Amino acid sequence: QKEVEQNSGPLSVPEGAIASLNCTYSDRGSQSFFWYRQYSGKSPELIMFIYSNGDKEDGRFTAQLNKASQYVSLLIRDSQPSDSATYLCAVNSDVGAGKSTFGDGTTLTVKP
Amino acid sequence: DVKVTQSSRYLVKRTGEKVFLECVQDMDHENMFWYRQDPGLGLRLIYFSYDVKMKEKGDIPEGYSVSREKKERFSLILESASTNQTSMYLCASSTTGQFPYNEQFFGPGTRLTVL
Repeated sequence: QKEVEQNSGPLSVPEGAIASLNCTYSDRGSQSFFWYRQYSGKSPELIMFIYSNGDKEDGRFTAQLNKASQYVSLLIRDSQPSDSATYLCAVNSDVGAGKSTFGDGTTLTVKP
Repeated sequence: DVKVTQSSRYLVKRTGEKVFLECVQDMDHENMFWYRQDPGLGLRLIYFSYDVKMKEKGDIPEGYSVSREKKERFSLILESASTNQTSMYLCASSTTGQFPYNEQFFGPGTRLTVL
């Protein structure tokens, strides 16, 4: 079992729809959670992070964390073609250690 | 503006050559990382350094070594390049001293082809 697993893609949604990306992790002691976006041919960049159970909203993006169920999700509302990218979930088990474990990514395509 | 730079965007080498990939960050981060990224395999950690001259093996260290003589610079070395090391190599840095802790900043990547 992988330490961080993401829902298999690719995921395709129409423009204006809600895209839902899911991630589960195996280390119950994990403390911080990140979502990175990677456009084709580019490097990953951080778009959301969350530390506490519940929802965190930033514009059209909402990160949701449920530590009891060991999952974290990213919702993208009013999806735009510019949201088409691969989304990487990353989990950090020890804030002091500095290392995160990445999932394999989910590729999202938003169709006009 | 934070920046991680890598010495080359594209590199072509021959089997058996010694290859150096250089990464420099200007954010005074203590942590630096080398990953390789292949289609369908995600980001795989090769080596990690949390301080000058300190290193830890990642998930796939075989065939690679690293060097960190200065805080801002982290080098990846392929002692004898092989065709199965053809890949995209990404360098990243992070710090535990600034919120959000451990956000990783990535360089532009080096696409290495070994013939």
